Amino acid sequence: DVKVTQSSRYLVKRTGEKVFLECVQDMDHENMFWYRQDPGLGLRLIYFSYDVKMKEKGDIPEGYSVSREKKERFSLILESASTNQTSMYLCASSSTIGPLMNRLFFGSGTQLSVL
Amino acid sequence: DQQVKQNSPSLSVQEGRISILNCDYTNSMFDYFLWYKKYPAEGPTFLISISSIKDKNEDGRFTVFLNKSAKHLSLHIVPSQPGDSAVYFCAASPRWGKFQFGAGTQVVVTP
Repeated sequence: DVKVTQSSRYLVKRTGEKVFLECVQDMDHENMFWYRQDPGLGLRLIYFSYDVKMKEKGDIPEGYSVSREKKERFSLILESASTNQTSMYLCASSSTIGPLMNRLFFGSGTQLSVL
Repeated sequence: DQQVKQNSPSLSVQEGRISILNCDYTNSMFDYFLWYKKYPAEGPTFLISISSIKDKNEDGRFTVFLNKSAKHLSLHIVPSQPGDSAVYFCAASPRWGKFQFGAGTQVVVTP
């Protein structure tokens, strides 16, 4: 079974803090993604990475950056947290080959509250 | 501009009856579609997929229908069970997997 692990289930941070959300997958997937989920808006793509050290902006990258130094790990960084970044953050991975190609596997999510 | 739309934010259905969830898309480059189910405080889990070369895919109680000319897909759950109460998201992508998601439909299955 594919496992995508997000380091924290719940986080509370202060406005202006730098926040790191970590995600690790154990299936050697090439692609990794960060989404945020907000009521009425569904899942919106923040950033994705299709290889180590490669990244592309998604639909809502403002205020975020990412890091992928190793294939299994994809980090989302909030440079200076703001209250409008309070959300559920979901990491996902997918493979580019095989019978499960392009199927997204999600972590359990991190509920981030910025006060 | 949302390219994938789920226009019904909620759906209530009786146990044992059919649930029909709808999804519309605008991008004609989309050719691969997924449905996910999500419980509160959990990540979405994969339900069923369909590619544009098909118009129907079945997996147990779940069937997805794709109408490419109308840019419309639907998920049928038959029969609906209490454990099906969750939020359902449809997602679409072109050939390589950068998926766009809809806003979700909250399904409540009542006894």
